[in-house]
Amino acid sequence: DTGVSQDPRHKITKRGQNVTFRCDPISEHNRLYWYRQTLGQGPEFLTYFQNEAQLEKSRLLSDRFSAERPKGSFSTLEIQRTEQGDSAMYLCASSSLVTRDAFFGQGTRLTVV
Amino acid sequence: DQQVKQNSPSLSVQEGRISILNCDYTNSMFDYFLWYKKYPAEGPTFLISISSIKDKNEDGRFTVFLNKSAKHLSLHIVPSQPGDSAVYFCAASADDYKLSFGAGTTVTVRA
Repeated sequence: DTGVSQDPRHKITKRGQNVTFRCDPISEHNRLYWYRQTLGQGPEFLTYFQNEAQLEKSRLLSDRFSAERPKGSFSTLEIQRTEQGDSAMYLCASSSLVTRDAFFGQGTRLTVV
Repeated sequence: DQQVKQNSPSLSVQEGRISILNCDYTNSMFDYFLWYKKYPAEGPTFLISISSIKDKNEDGRFTVFLNKSAKHLSLHIVPSQPGDSAVYFCAASADDYKLSFGAGTTVTVRA
């Protein structure tokens, strides 16, 4: 399977703990995106990378959030000092510079208790 | 602000009939539009897309229509099947490629 892969699928953490999610994009895709989805809403843009460069961060991404994409391959999204409001589905997507169609992974469901 | 709007939260259609999902956008810089299907607890699955240089794109049972002057697009599913029951999201992007999504329309296909 050469689709977008996310790990873990589910994460339950206590408030105040740090969590890290991983995303492996489709191998030939230059662009990688992180989105967050809460119940009843469409996904909201968080940040994106072109190769290893982080090109934009949404104002939704507070200082507690950081994303990396070393060597332009996989990406990690870390949330420090988690809050209950961080509970959501975190989605990763990738696209090439040619087709503009973005393909999503299965998501990581975060629950902060 | 919501730049992409799906004003119908739900749609119920009989199996074999046509499903029509609508989407409106406000940002005139959007030039690429996509539709996704989503099952609970899964990521969105890409269905079909259309560039602003076209007004129609077909892929099997799915057809997307774009009316740029009205800033409106629609997705037609013909014929509707039970497996089409899901939440459908409309998304749009400008030349930065990042997607703005609508809130989704839940489609229920009745046997």
